[in-house]
Amino acid sequence: DVKVTQSSRYLVKRTGEKVFLECVQDMDHENMFWYRQDPGLGLRLIYFSYDVKMKEKGDIPEGYSVSREKKERFSLILESASTNQTSMYLCASIALARGQETQYFGPGTRLLVL
Amino acid sequence: RKEVEQDPGPFNVPEGATVAFNCTYSNSASQSFFWYRQDCRKEPKLLMSVYSSGNEDGRFTAQLNRASQYISLLIRDSKLSDSATYLCVVKGNAGNMLTFGGGTRLMVKP
Repeated sequence: DVKVTQSSRYLVKRTGEKVFLECVQDMDHENMFWYRQDPGLGLRLIYFSYDVKMKEKGDIPEGYSVSREKKERFSLILESASTNQTSMYLCASIALARGQETQYFGPGTRLLVL
Repeated sequence: RKEVEQDPGPFNVPEGATVAFNCTYSNSASQSFFWYRQDCRKEPKLLMSVYSSGNEDGRFTAQLNRASQYISLLIRDSKLSDSATYLCVVKGNAGNMLTFGGGTRLMVKP
């Protein structure tokens, strides 16, 4: 079974705080992704990584950074949280499903920035 | 124009009804297509891939029309448990990046 876990289901932080969101997959996958999901906007790609220490910007990288020091772990960092970063954050990893590579998601982290 | 567009709904249907969703995509070079299902406050989960020839999985049928750049999902004999948001997902011809539609919300009523 594909298993993607995220460190927290719910987080409340204050404006200006540094926030770490952790994602771990136990299937030795190379590709990992961070999205945020907001009502009316769907899922938007923040960053992705195709190997250890490799990262690529997605569609909305501003205000975020990432870290991939180990293959199984992909961290999303909000250097200085702002209220417009209140959102649902979803991590994903690539796996084979029905003969095609597709993405499996972690359970998500709901972040509230006050 | 969004890359992947869906009617947000909600679609309110009675149990047993047949319901269909469409999704249009703008990138004609898109290679792979999927439907994901997302329950309230949960992560999206793969429902089915969409093949050029169309494919069926139980009560669910997915079709692709490349000429008109749309994909569809048909659900027959709707169940209460089908209530969810259905996300149309398109993969381009480069890398593993997916583009998600905003989702269509389905509510099946008794």
